[in-house]
Amino acid sequence: DAKTTQPTSMDCAEGRAANLPCNHSTISGNEYVYWYRQIHSQGPQYIIHGLKNNETNEMASLIITEDRKSSTLILPHATLRDTAVYYCIVRANFGNEKLTFGTGTRLTIIP
Amino acid sequence: DVKVTQSSRYLVKRTGEKVFLECVQDMDHENMFWYRQDPGLGLRLIYFSYDVKMKEKGDIPEGYSVSREKKERFSLILESASTNQTSMYLCASSLPLLRVSSGANVLTFGAGSRLTVL
Repeated sequence: DAKTTQPTSMDCAEGRAANLPCNHSTISGNEYVYWYRQIHSQGPQYIIHGLKNNETNEMASLIITEDRKSSTLILPHATLRDTAVYYCIVRANFGNEKLTFGTGTRLTIIP
Repeated sequence: DVKVTQSSRYLVKRTGEKVFLECVQDMDHENMFWYRQDPGLGLRLIYFSYDVKMKEKGDIPEGYSVSREKKERFSLILESASTNQTSMYLCASSLPLLRVSSGANVLTFGAGSRLTVL
């Protein structure tokens, strides 16, 4: 699975859009981009995933660049409950069943 | 609505004790995983099981073993606990890739078990 690079930490004002970047320059054509988040003292929770088209669900939007070498997770109206560590993961949907997490981005929402 | 349950939220054990961490899922998932999480190191995979009685080592299996006698239950065993095994342990489950559509190979995690070894 391709390696990802994320900033260690970010702050965002409450009510504003939080934009979390992820670089995955070695991504291959059959690899998806997944995002999870982990709120303090809980297990990670799935947010969204995509292959090459932008995706949106009730939690967030995922924007993937045309060359697929980077992506951005957007939380449109951040609340204090969005304070968490966000993990960007790239993996294919065949072969290796194991999922590898990096250290993620610690997002702090400021009141 | 609880789907992955870890039997103990907090445990305190002594060096040399045998420790069992239990995980049960009710989603009929074939895959189950044990991770540990330490500050600055993120989540690291200890062991993975893709079926009953089947297991694969993850990135850091040393000092651990696992047991999967039933599909819904995956146990992590520390044969002789050591202080460097003090950590947060997270269990997860998922469908196998072959049964996933639209790329949604999602892991569902439990709340975690925080183990302290004195």
